[in-house]
Amino acid sequence: LAKTTQPISMDSYEGQEVNITCSHNNIATNDYITWYQQFPSQGPRFIIQGYKTKVTNEVASLFIPADRKSSTLSLPRVSLSDTAVYYCLVGYYNNNDMRFGAGTRLTVKP
Amino acid sequence: DADVTQTPRNRITKTGKRIMLECSQTKGHDRMYWYRQDPGLGLRLIYYSFDVKDINKGEISDGYSVSRQAQAKFSLSLESAIPNQTALYFCATSDLVTGGADTQYFGPGTRLTVL
Repeated sequence: LAKTTQPISMDSYEGQEVNITCSHNNIATNDYITWYQQFPSQGPRFIIQGYKTKVTNEVASLFIPADRKSSTLSLPRVSLSDTAVYYCLVGYYNNNDMRFGAGTRLTVKP
Repeated sequence: DADVTQTPRNRITKTGKRIMLECSQTKGHDRMYWYRQDPGLGLRLIYYSFDVKDINKGEISDGYSVSRQAQAKFSLSLESAIPNQTALYFCATSDLVTGGADTQYFGPGTRLTVL
């Protein structure tokens, strides 16, 4: 079971770049890293997924170092609407052990 | 995600009652999941199903049962509800992919209160 560790909470201000790091020391060779975003009283929503190096989409970037024991979700120029809980998951498509931990509660202030 | 619907959206019931939460999806996905979320906590997996004939227990299956009536429908039952099952319940779907990891699509949630 690939366990992940994230900060419980982070604060930021509008317009800043936010980086949320996730530790996954026992990641397996086939595992991918997936990040979800959850707003209050809503289901989580997929943000980004990657295996190594860097992945970028219209919402975020994901940086994965060569040893893959950690990953960093980068949100450019956050706004108040980015206030949410962010979850890091590690697993493979036939892995039944992917788990949502407590996530990181990001608060963006004006 | 509007492609994944849950009914009811809110439910208040009493201890000992049998409750069924329903999930339907139009995404054509084979995989379906039930999670619960308690205030301030992450999601915990109750049951999951990789196809109509496949049902698997998750982290916290005690006190719950499920039925996969069709590819598009996955129901969660509480046989005899108790107060500590008060929580927000989410259904999710995903598709089998070659390579990569599952991307799950979540319903809007059902808020269940057991008095």
